[in-house]
Parts: sequence; C-alpha cells; structure tokens
Amino acid sequence: DVKVTQSSRYLVKRTGEKVFLECVQDMDHENMFWYRQDPGLGLRLIYFSYDVKMKEKGDIPEGYSVSREKKERFSLILESASTNQTSMYLCASDSGTEAFFGQGTRLTVV
Amino acid sequence: KQEVTQIPAALSVPEGENLVLNCSFTDSAIYNLQWFRQDPGKGLTSLLLIQSSQREQTSGRLNASLDKSSGRSTLYIAASQPGDSATYLCAVRAGSYQLTFGKGTKLSVIP
Repeated sequence: DVKVTQSSRYLVKRTGEKVFLECVQDMDHENMFWYRQDPGLGLRLIYFSYDVKMKEKGDIPEGYSVSREKKERFSLILESASTNQTSMYLCASDSGTEAFFGQGTRLTVV
Repeated sequence: KQEVTQIPAALSVPEGENLVLNCSFTDSAIYNLQWFRQDPGKGLTSLLLIQSSQREQTSGRLNASLDKSSGRSTLYIAASQPGDSATYLCAVRAGSYQLTFGKGTKLSVIP
C-alpha cells in the first residue's frame, strides 16, 4: 500500500519562528509537491521537486523554501512564520501519472 | 491556462439516493483526470484515475466518466451512505508536473 507521511497533523508556531514541515514517501517517486489549502481558494502549489536536489517554484512560493536531500523526503520551510501562513499544508508524491497525498498538516501561526 | 470548475460547491441528499458530481475543464488537452475524496481536516484520498483514452472507470459504488472533447467528467455515486459525506475534488493532468484542481463539491448524505 502506497504511503505518504507528513511529520505532524497539527502544529502551533509563533510569528517569526522558522518552521519545518517534513514529508516522506515510500513509492520511489521522482516528483513531490507541496500545496496549501485555504477555504474558498482551493489547493495552491507552493513548490515542487522532480529529482533529488532539484526544485521548482509553484504559484505561491513567497515566504517558503524547500529541501530535497534524499529522494524519499521533501521538506517545506517557512523562513519566518507569519499569521497569513496559517493553513492546511498538503504534501503529494507523484508517479507522473497519479498523485498520492499525505494526511495533511494543520499549521496555526500565532 | 487550464481552469477546473466543480458545480455545485455543496450538495445535500438523503441516504440511498444515486447522485452525480460534476467537473468541467477548459483545455481538453489532458493526460488524465483523477477524482479525490477529502474528509474534514485530512488529506486527499485517490478514488479513481481515468486516462484520456478511457470513457469511464468503476470502483465499487463509484463510476467516473470522461468526455474529453466537451471538457467534462462526472462522478456517479450509487446508493449513497452517510459515510460518503466528504468533499470530492477532481484534478486534471496536462503533463508530469501539471495537476490542476477544482475547488471541490462538499457532499452531505443525510440519514
């Protein structure tokens, strides 16, 4: 059974903190994605990676960075968390044909 | 730019009814279309994947159809149950990296 695991279901962080969201997949996929999901706005692509150490900006990369040191792990970094980054964050692993999602991380920045 | 629309945004039906969820897209040059289910506060679960060369796919009580030329897909749910209550999203793929999502239809099945 395919598995995409996000390190936390819920996180509460303070404004200005550096925040790491981790995502691990066990399917040996090349492609991994980070989205955020907000009511009324749907899923928006933050960053994606199509290979180790490769990354591409999505539609809303400002305030975020990513790291992919190993094929199975894709990390999203909030350099200095702000209240407008309170959201549901979704990681996806993608075969190039089909996408598989993690369970999501609900991040609240106070 | 591809746009994906799901109408209605919310739907409420009594238990046992058959129902259809709609997904439309503006650019018919797609590789495939994927239907997902999302429970409140959780991630997306893949339900059905339908390739551009296919007309439909079935899994249990679910049937997805695709009419690429008209830019439409439907998800048919037979004999709905309260456990089917969730948000259903469709996503179209134009290439290996390009997945465009609709905003979803929130389904409530009333016992």
